[in-house]
Amino acid sequence: AQKITQTQPGMFVQEKEAVTLDCTYDTSDQSYGLFWYKQPSSGEMIFLIYQGSYDEQNATEGRYSLNFQKARKSANLVISASQLGDSAMYFCAMRLKTSYDKVIFGPGTSLSVIP
Amino acid sequence: EADIYQTPRYLVIGTGKKITLECSQTMGHDKMYWYQQDPGMELHLIHYSYGVNSTEKGDLSSESTVSRIRTEHFPLTLESARPSHTSQYLCASSDSGVNTGELFFGEGSRLTVL
Repeated sequence: AQKITQTQPGMFVQEKEAVTLDCTYDTSDQSYGLFWYKQPSSGEMIFLIYQGSYDEQNATEGRYSLNFQKARKSANLVISASQLGDSAMYFCAMRLKTSYDKVIFGPGTSLSVIP
Repeated sequence: EADIYQTPRYLVIGTGKKITLECSQTMGHDKMYWYQQDPGMELHLIHYSYGVNSTEKGDLSSESTVSRIRTEHFPLTLESARPSHTSQYLCASSDSGVNTGELFFGEGSRLTVL
């Protein structure tokens, strides 16, 4: 079965600290992609970072990095130097190339940054 | 700037009415998706399309139907709306020829069925 699991419904982090949001996935596909999206209270979906299943290096985008451990099927998001504007819902998602690019999302983690 | 549009943004209708949620994108993307999301909750895939006349159902069972007659247009139809259909519906598109193939989202259609 194809599934995304995010085990942290809610997280708190102090401003300027780093935080890791967990994501594990389940698929028998060899070719897939993993995304992280941010959804603030305004409701828009903001793309943060992408990791392909064949990429050997962990993806990084500014303060965001993706800790990809293929054997463990995990794709954790690391946010460095948290800012108040980082408070939002964060969703992990998976694209399945062998299913016509089907994209499924996890249940999300609500992150609150404390001043 | 993503160019994907959803109409209507808000809709309040009575039980039993037929509704169509419109989604259009001007980016020439081959893939399009419909998700259902309650506030602050998971996005559930209800339909997706990988090209003209090529659609698939998602993981969430839905009474809605979709069509993809033109690349840029992916409407979702509910033949007979019920209160259980009350939710936000998000449309997205992506270009599978791009490495990341990120999804670009519309602003959503918030449906309330009385």
